[in-house]
Amino acid sequence: GIQVEQSPPDLILQEGANSTLRCNFSDSVNNLQWFHQNPWGQLINLFYIPSGTKQNGRLSATTVATERYSLLYISSSQTTDSGVYFCAAPGGGADGLTFGKGTHLIIQP
Amino acid sequence: KAGVTQTPRYLIKTRGQQVTLSCSPISGHRSVSWYQQTPGQGLQFLFEYFSETQRNKGNFPGRFSGRQFSNSRSEMNVSTLELGDSALYLCASSLLAGAFGYEQFFGPGTRLTVL
Repeated sequence: GIQVEQSPPDLILQEGANSTLRCNFSDSVNNLQWFHQNPWGQLINLFYIPSGTKQNGRLSATTVATERYSLLYISSSQTTDSGVYFCAAPGGGADGLTFGKGTHLIIQP
Repeated sequence: KAGVTQTPRYLIKTRGQQVTLSCSPISGHRSVSWYQQTPGQGLQFLFEYFSETQRNKGNFPGRFSGRQFSNSRSEMNVSTLELGDSALYLCASSLLAGAFGYEQFFGPGTRLTVL
C-alpha cells in the first residue's frame, strides 16, 4: 500500500511565526487531505487537495502530484493553531485513507 | 448540514466484554469508514462500508466487525476486548467510496478504555 511520511515530527514556534509542514507519498493519488486534530481528538478538515494550490485564510496548501508531495503553510501562527496536523491519502484498490504520523505543532505565546 | 455523529463519546469496558459503536454519516453520504487511533500505531484503517457492503478491511483480527444499514448508519463491534483495544475510534463519511478520491469527513470519535 501507499506510504505517507510527514515532516517535521515536532515543531515549536513563537506566535506570529510562519511554518511549512511537508507530506511525501509513495504513489500517485487521487485524494490528498490535510487535517488538524483538536485536543478532543476530532479531525478537522483543512484541505482536500489532490493537486494544485488552495488557500483558506492564514492557511494554504500545495500538492505537486507529479513529485508526490504536499505542503501546508501556516502564516502568522496563533496559539489556537497548536495541535497535530495529519495528511492522508487513499491506499491502493479499495483501501481507506493512509495517514502519516503527523506533525505536532506547538505555538508559544 | 449536520456533521458525522458518533455514539457513545466515551466508553469503559473490561477485558473479555464486547462493545458496539455507532456512526451516523452526513446526510446523503453513502460511504462510512472506521479508523482506530492509538499512540503507538497512529491512525489505522479498519474497514469501509458502501451501500451496506463491506468494501475492504484493514489488517485487524476478526474480533473487529461492522455493518451498515439501509440509511447508511454504521455500527462496529469489537468482541472479546483486549487491553490493546483501548483507543480512539473514528468514523468518516464520504459521498461515495473513499478509494475513488472523495473527500472524507470525520466524526468526534469514541474513546474506548479497556480495563
